[in-house]
Amino acid sequence: KQEVTQIPAALSVPEGENLVLNCSFTDSAIYNLQWFRQDPGKGLTSLLLIQSSQREQTSGRLNASLDKSSGRSTLYIAASQPGDSATYLCAVGTDSWGKLQFGAGTQVVVTP
Amino acid sequence: NAGVTQTPKFRILKIGQSMTLQCTQDMNHNYMYWYRQDPGMGLKLIYYSVGAGITDKGEVPNGYNVSRSTTEDFPLRLELAAPSQTSVYFCASSYSNSGGAGELFFGEGSRLTVL
Repeated sequence: KQEVTQIPAALSVPEGENLVLNCSFTDSAIYNLQWFRQDPGKGLTSLLLIQSSQREQTSGRLNASLDKSSGRSTLYIAASQPGDSATYLCAVGTDSWGKLQFGAGTQVVVTP
Repeated sequence: NAGVTQTPKFRILKIGQSMTLQCTQDMNHNYMYWYRQDPGMGLKLIYYSVGAGITDKGEVPNGYNVSRSTTEDFPLRLELAAPSQTSVYFCASSYSNSGGAGELFFGEGSRLTVL
């Protein structure tokens, strides 16, 4: 069974620093990988989707890398802002039907 | 665009009661999903559907039922509520193309407490 782990569970950085969020998975036979943002009491918002054939995906200040052989993905957020404070979840797509196996998330606080 | 809409947002049930969580999407997505999120845990898949009339179990289906009579709607029914079903429930949808499912779009969640 695919296991997805996100370490650390919580992270605090001063405004302006770059954020590095880690995600590891146990089975390299993935369909895709998605990063989500979740604000308190809200639903999940998709940030980036990386297909299994891709090595990275970029959107604005966000960049996500994927290394299937080592079972890792990293989400980079450049020049963090207080508005980036949220929980970030990594999810591995296990098949073409869109079923996802989620990590528990990393709670990020960006201090002014 | 409303996206994925879930109702109710909050509900308290007594043990043994039943209820239905409603989910509607207006993006004409074929794929729909129900997840539950417990504190400090990742989301777990309850049921999913790849089109009207087609549903299948996810990782934690016991105590739940679903139906998909239209593309837009994917209700989740809880029968004989138990305290273990206290959770936040999320509905999601995804487009599909020749490569399979794309990114998932989530509703804002339904917080259920069973006492």
